[in-house]
Amino acid sequence: GAGVSQSPSNKVTEKGKDVELRCDPISGHTALYWYRQSLGQGLEFLIYFQGNSAPDKSGLPSDRFSAERTGGSVSTLTIQRTQQEDSAVYLCASSLYRVGASGKSPDTQYFGPGTRLTVL
Amino acid sequence: AQKITQTQPGMFVQEKEAVTLDCTYDTSDPSYGLFWYKQPSSGEMIFLIYQGSYDQQNATEGRYSLNFQKARKSANLVISASQLGDSAMYFCAMREGLTGTASKLTFGTGTRLQVTL
Repeated sequence: GAGVSQSPSNKVTEKGKDVELRCDPISGHTALYWYRQSLGQGLEFLIYFQGNSAPDKSGLPSDRFSAERTGGSVSTLTIQRTQQEDSAVYLCASSLYRVGASGKSPDTQYFGPGTRLTVL
Repeated sequence: AQKITQTQPGMFVQEKEAVTLDCTYDTSDPSYGLFWYKQPSSGEMIFLIYQGSYDQQNATEGRYSLNFQKARKSANLVISASQLGDSAMYFCAMREGLTGTASKLTFGTGTRLQVTL
């Protein structure tokens, strides 16, 4: 079946502009995650959504970052007033979260191809 | 405190040989999961193998196996019969909490593997 998709694949923007990054998770997956990968910081968790619960926003680096997930499916990560240090690859992942899952059901996160953001 | 440590920034292995990529972790949660991902130059993160903290046996998936030593808090990835296509970055990651609870992954800094002829 189709994997996680992200758009755009590349985004170049000017400092101070707002950007929106989109993620389409694997159909039926109930949990969705955003990570950021940069040379200096490695892979960092940003935020995750699980079902109808309140999202875990503990990884968002500043209040310029926000994300929403509409209808339990598609998610948008918004970065306002972009800064050069926001330049990174933004990765989205999804997993099938099930209460009481056990055995070989580790809620493996499957990643999309990422969006490369460059802030000039 | 760093939770996932990968001490090998780069490794070389000859085609058809086996290679071990090291990963140590730190957690006080008795329930956790350990994952290995491969990231080729194309950039996509590809899931390879999973080991749960309560799993009694080492995980295996084809040419990949995970050498899980719980007391030493290590979860090394073994790739047997290396192929040129195995050249990539490899990341070890940990999820804390019970299986069935959505939880973030914490990643190591990665090991770049180069397979040579």
